[in-house]
Amino acid sequence: EVQLVESGGGLVQPGRSLKLSCVASGFTFSNYGMNWIRQAPGKGLEWVAYISSGSSYIYYAETVKGRFTISRDNAKNTLYLQMTSLRSEDTALYYCARLGFDYWGQGVMVTVSS
Amino acid sequence: DVVLTQTPPTLSATIGQSVSISCRSSQSLLHSNGNTYLNWLLQRPGQPPQLLIYLVSRLESGVPNRFSGSGSGTDFTLKISGVEAEDLGVYYCVQSTHAPTWTFGGGTKLELK
Repeated sequence: EVQLVESGGGLVQPGRSLKLSCVASGFTFSNYGMNWIRQAPGKGLEWVAYISSGSSYIYYAETVKGRFTISRDNAKNTLYLQMTSLRSEDTALYYCARLGFDYWGQGVMVTVSS
Repeated sequence: DVVLTQTPPTLSATIGQSVSISCRSSQSLLHSNGNTYLNWLLQRPGQPPQLLIYLVSRLESGVPNRFSGSGSGTDFTLKISGVEAEDLGVYYCVQSTHAPTWTFGGGTKLELK
């Protein structure tokens, strides 16, 4: 059974940093590109970042470019999202999802507030 | 950037009724390789989204065949032939043709009348 489990969320002050993790199981993680997608409270879905299976290709939404860094450790079956210079508008439920959007984690909440 | 516009934003239906949701793209979603990378997702309350349909009309494994997708170019439709209670939630279209930017539609909330 494919599982994606996010962690690392919480309440953080504006301007601070936070690192999210997504542990994958039930499939060969190293064969798949992965995404981070977020959903602000009561809002729709917003693609945040993508990383290819071997980390050769990395892309970001303009709203997070230069502040967020996506990475992965295929030996640990883990996807990461390092978030810096956080803003109130980054407050959202963050999901990891496999390329193709066929599998999603349950999401982890990030709240940016003083 | 590609913009996906979903209509209607809210849809009220009775159990057993057939309904359709539209997703219109600001640019053609036909890829140079001949595929059209348009998916449909359902997000039930309190749950992550789940994939219903990929490549416009292909049903994801385990998804009931009352769901169907159609369309081409810039205009796409998700149809539910006989709404069931478990179908309530928010439906999203998402395009991957213009990767590496992935775009979601604004969502259509399906509720009981």
